[in-house]
Amino acid sequence: QVQLQESGPGLVKPSETLSLTCTVSGYSISSYYWGWIRQPPGKGLEWIGSIHHSGSTYYNPSLKSRVTISVDTSKNQFSLKVNSVTAADTAVYYCARFYLDRGVITTWGQGTLVTVSS
Amino acid sequence: QTVVTQEPSFSVSPGGTVILTCGLSSGSVSPSYYPSWYQQTPGQAPRTLIYTTSTRSSGVPDRFSGSILGNKAALTITGAQADDESDYYCVLYMSSGIWVFGGGTKLTVL
Repeated sequence: QVQLQESGPGLVKPSETLSLTCTVSGYSISSYYWGWIRQPPGKGLEWIGSIHHSGSTYYNPSLKSRVTISVDTSKNQFSLKVNSVTAADTAVYYCARFYLDRGVITTWGQGTLVTVSS
Repeated sequence: QTVVTQEPSFSVSPGGTVILTCGLSSGSVSPSYYPSWYQQTPGQAPRTLIYTTSTRSSGVPDRFSGSILGNKAALTITGAQADDESDYYCVLYMSSGIWVFGGGTKLTVL
């Protein structure tokens, strides 16, 4: 049974870089796409981006200039970096598995709250 | 920019039927957008309900069904139960690697 677990700092200062890692267990990261979704407090879900083990990436056009997603197949992990964060980046960040051939997000992590504040 | 539209809120009586919809700000939703639906209760991660328009995810009760109605995707809940009270999100996959979420519908069962 595939499981995803987010990890990383819960507090980031404005203008700095938000960094999160998702560790995948029970399944090899060398299949499917993997990526990130966020949810600001009290608001809806927003797709951030997705990556394949080959390194192929897709990003939300509205965030593309500030976001980098990378993959480490040796650790069965993938990571998110968001540069130049502001309070608007405060959100619960979910990592997830994406099945593009079916257009479905099959599996979600439990989510981690990241607060941007000085 | 693609905008996916959902009703902000909806109410249904216990045992009743409700249809939540998912549209596009311009154009029609078709199966080629692989509409999928997700249920989220407060403080929890979303749960996958429906994908490729009408396929139920494993373990999802058959009172949840998906379809295309007119120019929108639809999630129908038949025989609503108290624990169906949740936020429901529609997602369209644009087949260019881009995923777009709707704003979500807050469903109240009362």
